[in-house]
Amino acid sequence: QKEVEQNSGPLSVPEGAIASLNCTYSDRGSQSFFWYRQYSGKSPELIMFIYSNGDKEDGRFTAQLNKASQYVSLLIRDSQPSDSATYLCAVNWGSNDYKLSFGAGTTVTVRA
Amino acid sequence: EAQVTQNPRYLITVTGKKLTVTCSQNMNHEYMSWYRQDPGLGLRQIYYSMNVEVTDKGDVPEGYKVSRKEKRNFPLILESPSPNQTSLYFCASSLDHGEQYFGPGTRLTVT
Repeated sequence: QKEVEQNSGPLSVPEGAIASLNCTYSDRGSQSFFWYRQYSGKSPELIMFIYSNGDKEDGRFTAQLNKASQYVSLLIRDSQPSDSATYLCAVNWGSNDYKLSFGAGTTVTVRA
Repeated sequence: EAQVTQNPRYLITVTGKKLTVTCSQNMNHEYMSWYRQDPGLGLRQIYYSMNVEVTDKGDVPEGYKVSRKEKRNFPLILESPSPNQTSLYFCASSLDHGEQYFGPGTRLTVT
């Protein structure tokens, strides 16, 4: 059974702080990693993807991938109340780019 | 406007009554997929399609059918719904990899 595990949360951070979200996955052959954001009552939307080991930055978001440790993280810098949402980690399995598994999500609340 | 649409958005039905949830995308994406979302379990893939007439099972295909006769449409069929299929369903489409665009969701209740 291929699994994607995330911190269950909820994670509460003050406005302006860094929110750190973690995700581990079970299959060493996984190739592609994604972070989706889902506001309450809405559909998921892609915010970051990463394919190679290391860091990838996009605005206030940084994704970090360590394939040896089977670990991917998302950092949200200068957190804003609008970042309050559930963040879903998603992993493609091996060479099958179309089979995607999601973690259960981490709910983040940014306190003003 | 580029979008994925689903219908209906809300549906209450009874056990055993066949239903279809439609999904349509206007982005000419080859890949489409269906997910269900349940509290504490996250999104689980039901079926996916890599192109017209090409479909494959995801993690939880039991009790569901799909078809892909046209590129833009990917309906989800529940031949004999049961209460354990009560869930929030999302359709998604993608040009490649896992960068998927999700529809607004369909909340299904089976009594």
